Amino acid sequence: EVQLVESGGGLVQPGGSLRLSCAASGFTFTSHNMKWVRQAPGKGLEWVSHIDIRSTMIFYADSVKGRFTVSRDNPGNSLYLHMSSLRAEDTAVYYCARDSGLGGTLDYWGQGTLVTVSS
Amino acid sequence: QSVLTQEASVSGTVGQKVTLTCLGNSNNIGRNPVGWYQQISHGAPKTVVFGNSRPSGIPDRFSGSRSGTTASLTISGLQPEDEADYYCSTWDYGLSVAAFGGGTKLTVL
Repeated sequence: EVQLVESGGGLVQPGGSLRLSCAASGFTFTSHNMKWVRQAPGKGLEWVSHIDIRSTMIFYADSVKGRFTVSRDNPGNSLYLHMSSLRAEDTAVYYCARDSGLGGTLDYWGQGTLVTVSS
Repeated sequence: QSVLTQEASVSGTVGQKVTLTCLGNSNNIGRNPVGWYQQISHGAPKTVVFGNSRPSGIPDRFSGSRSGTTASLTISGLQPEDEADYYCSTWDYGLSVAAFGGGTKLTVL
């Protein structure tokens, strides 16, 4: 069974940093690109970042470019999102999701982890 | 403003067939399969269709299609448990982003 389990969310002050983790299991992690997607309170889904299998093709939404860094540990079956210079507008539930391999569509999602940026 | 455009709301009765649409352009839907994601009461999203496929466990009343720069999600035989927000998404090669629609709120009357 495919499982994606996020962790690392919490309350952080504006300007602070946080690292999110996503533990993957039930599939061959090295066969799939991965994405982070977030959802602010009362808003729709917003793509954050994409990382390919070998960490050679990495993309970010303009809203997080230069502040967030995505990485993966293939032997450890883990995906990460290091977030810095956090702003109130980064407050959201962050989901990791598995790329299906079909045009960047996603086939499995984690349960999400809440990040709250507030003083 | 979202790269992909979806209806804000759609409604239907139990047993009815409903179609949700997702409008894009030649850089996204015109080039790529589309994923459709269901979100019930702001829980974790669940994929109902990606391309022409469904993840295991998704009922076959959910189907996806694409024509030109428009994608559609059809639910044949609407059920009360299908009431949810639905989002479409695909890769946009022009912007190098994963484009999402703003979401459609589906109400089962």
